[in-house]
Order: sequence, then C-alpha cells, then structure tokens
Amino acid sequence: GESVGLHLPTLSVQEGDNSIINCAYSNSASDYFIWYKQESGKGPQFIIDIRSNMDKRQGQRVTVLLNKTVKHLSLQIAATQPGDSAVYFCAENPPGGYNKLIFGAGTRLAVHP
Amino acid sequence: EPEVTQTPSHQVTQMGQEVILRCVPISNHLYFYWYRQILGQKVEFLVSFYNNEISEKSEIFDDQFSVERPDGSNFTLKIRSTKLEDSAMYFCASKGKTGNTEAFFGQGTRLTVV
Repeated sequence: GESVGLHLPTLSVQEGDNSIINCAYSNSASDYFIWYKQESGKGPQFIIDIRSNMDKRQGQRVTVLLNKTVKHLSLQIAATQPGDSAVYFCAENPPGGYNKLIFGAGTRLAVHP
Repeated sequence: EPEVTQTPSHQVTQMGQEVILRCVPISNHLYFYWYRQILGQKVEFLVSFYNNEISEKSEIFDDQFSVERPDGSNFTLKIRSTKLEDSAMYFCASKGKTGNTEAFFGQGTRLTVV
C-alpha cells in the first residue's frame, strides 16, 4: 500500500484566500517531511520541511503543521496568489536507508482571480 | 543559485533501444537519486547512490536499469532495453549530506518510448 496519501486531489481557491493542503502518512517512524511544489513540466521544488520533533514550522507565506498522533501533515498558504497554482506533494523520509523520499499522490491547487 | 541540471529535456526512443539520461548534480553534493513520474501520477523513488555505489533501489529498478557516475561530475541512468511502460518523466536529485535535509531536483527528462 501507499505510505503517503492525500485527501483532496484538486483544490480551487480565490486569489487572496488561504489554502490548506492535507496529507496523511502511514509510517509512524518517519522523522522528516517535506512539501514540494511542482509546476507543469518542471521538477519538484522545495517549499518547506519539518522534523518530527516539531509540530509547526513557518516560512514565507507558508506554514507546515505536523500531527504525529494522527499521522497528518498540512500545508497552509496564506494570501494565495496565481503563481501558487501547481501540484503540491508531501514527501516523507522513512527511517533507515539513504534518505529516499516517499511521495504522496499530489494535490492540484488552482487559484482563480 | 546552484541547481541540478538534466539532459536531454525530452528523449524519444523506440521500444527495445537503450537510453542514457544524464544529470549534473550540485557540485558539492554527495547523495544522488533518480526518481520517475508517470504522467499524472506521483513521484516514485528508483535508486539512491552514494560513495560510487548503489545504496538503495526500489522494485522498479530492475536489471534493465543501471546508474553510473563516470567522471565525478555526471550521474547517469541507463535503461538497456526500453519498454513502452518506461515512458515517464525522470528526475535526478542530490543532497549535500545525510540526515534531515532537502533533496534538490532537476527539471527532469521526459522519456517517450514508441
């Protein structure tokens, strides 16, 4: 089965609104999580990361929340802009190995003017 | 800003032919990866490479696949005899160190097998 999955395949928001993208992971021993943004025809671009010893981390207009109790990860984007339109992937780093990433299925964020 | 570069951006090949996808990781990075993404699907891990050898590989990475770091700069993925189902975007990634740090991805090579 999949180690990481997403609740919503597509999210449509109005420009200026806040967006919340959710992700569930199944490996409770994973200790590192990353959100990537992927624009059409491009590679995944790092947005923000969080370690398992934290429950919240803020960046510029983005916040990642980690709830280890329910194995849930979310990405909040404040004041969403048209340039935020992309597919967003969460990824987890399971224990052991050489830090491969297990990606979720992706959520498409569509920002409407 | 340093970046991972991949060539070519698009490769079309006939079924059964060999292809080599090329990557130049960020220069001081030590850990290298190949991932693939079938159209519309999630990114899947293929292989990790460290200290001039494969450190981990997925079930996808069968005997038809191989990786090499021939000259200390390039990092290549070879598919010996391509199949239609190998059609995908292939992404190279690199990390500077182990532990909890992000991997940087290239722009990808779109492989189309006809």
